[in-house]
Amino acid sequence: GQNIDQPTEMTATEGAIVQINCTYQTSGFNGLFWYQQHAGEAPTFLSYNVLDGLEEKGRFSSFLSRSKGYSYLLLKELQMKDSASYLCAVSLAGKSTFGDGTTLTVKP
Amino acid sequence: DTGVSQNPRHKITKRGQNVTFRCDPISEHNRLYWYRQTLGQGPEFLTYFQNEAQLEKSRLLSDRFSAERPKGSFSTLEIQRTEQGDSAMYLCASSLSGSGTYNEQFFGPGTRLTVL
Repeated sequence: GQNIDQPTEMTATEGAIVQINCTYQTSGFNGLFWYQQHAGEAPTFLSYNVLDGLEEKGRFSSFLSRSKGYSYLLLKELQMKDSASYLCAVSLAGKSTFGDGTTLTVKP
Repeated sequence: DTGVSQNPRHKITKRGQNVTFRCDPISEHNRLYWYRQTLGQGPEFLTYFQNEAQLEKSRLLSDRFSAERPKGSFSTLEIQRTEQGDSAMYLCASSLSGSGTYNEQFFGPGTRLTVL
């Protein structure tokens, strides 16, 4: 089975850095996705990690440790528009299993 | 617009009625997924197709749910004898699988189902 844990809510200040953690216990693993979902909208792809280490894409970075079953999403220079839910998803055999998401609120 | 589209966007029905939703994926994508999402939860996997073949169906999915992708393009999800617990957002996603791809999924806007 798959068990994916993320904090339910986080709050951060505009311009700051925030780290959203994800831990997983799965029966198999190909890679790990991060998606962003604004309220009332569909999820959109942010990043994908298959090997251990850090992947950087502009203000967003994602880290993976396969041996620890751990990932994080790092958001730098936070903007108000980054207020959203961030979903961690484990990929195996063509399908993805999602966590319940972390709702990030960015305050001025 | 060449993204994933879903119809209808909203559906209100009475308990016991049948409903059908349609998803049109990105044209070159060979995989198509259906998810269900309720407030405060992540998308819950229902089923997925590679071309016209249904490769996996969630064990949580009752026999009232059926999905098809007859020509490997659009897909339909039918729920028979709807129950109030079926009220949710139904999301469709598509992806391109193969070497050199991440197989990242592109989501449609969803169909919000309300069962009265």
